[in-house]
Amino acid sequence: DGGITQSPKYLFRKEGQNVTLSCEQNLNHDAMYWYRQDPGQGLRLIYYSQIVNDFQKGDIAEGYSVSREKKESFPLTVTSAQKNPTAFYLCASSATGYRYEQYFGPGTRLTVT
Amino acid sequence: KQEVTQIPAALSVPEGENLVLNCSFTDSAIYNLQWFRQDPGKGLTSLLLIQSSQREQTSGRLNASLDKSSGRSTLYIAASQPGDSATYLCAVKSGGTSYGKLTFGQGTILTVHP
Repeated sequence: DGGITQSPKYLFRKEGQNVTLSCEQNLNHDAMYWYRQDPGQGLRLIYYSQIVNDFQKGDIAEGYSVSREKKESFPLTVTSAQKNPTAFYLCASSATGYRYEQYFGPGTRLTVT
Repeated sequence: KQEVTQIPAALSVPEGENLVLNCSFTDSAIYNLQWFRQDPGKGLTSLLLIQSSQREQTSGRLNASLDKSSGRSTLYIAASQPGDSATYLCAVKSGGTSYGKLTFGQGTILTVHP
């Protein structure tokens, strides 16, 4: 059963702690993406990777870091430098190229208090 | 900078009605446009993908059209059902990364009541 998995579904952290969100895909896609969704703001791109061992900043990368050591995995770390980390985080993947659609995972809701 | 707007922000209709959701974008130099559905607290489900060279795509009761020159797309839902209740998002792929970047609208919240 092909798809994208994200874990955990809900995550609670204290302010000042780093936290890592997991994203795994078995669609054999080269490209992977992380988005953040806030009420009334739509989805915003945090980081993307088009190939293993390479990744690029999106529109709102400050306070986040990623790695892409395996084709299937693209974990996102929310660091203590992120000013407002509470949000719904979505991972996506696609084949590489202009024509292809993106597929999304189920999301992780992060709450930082 | 690409901007995507969806109108209306919310829509409530009785079951069985045909309805149209609208999406407009400011830069017509797009690669494609994708319509998604999002249920509360869930991820996005891709509904339809229209390439820039296409005028429309159909899947079951859904039909999406694209008028690139005027910067508009519509999603037509026929014979709406309560199970269609969700947020519908439009996203356009245009420049910004090596293979294009998706820019999302803020969505239309659809409620279909029995």
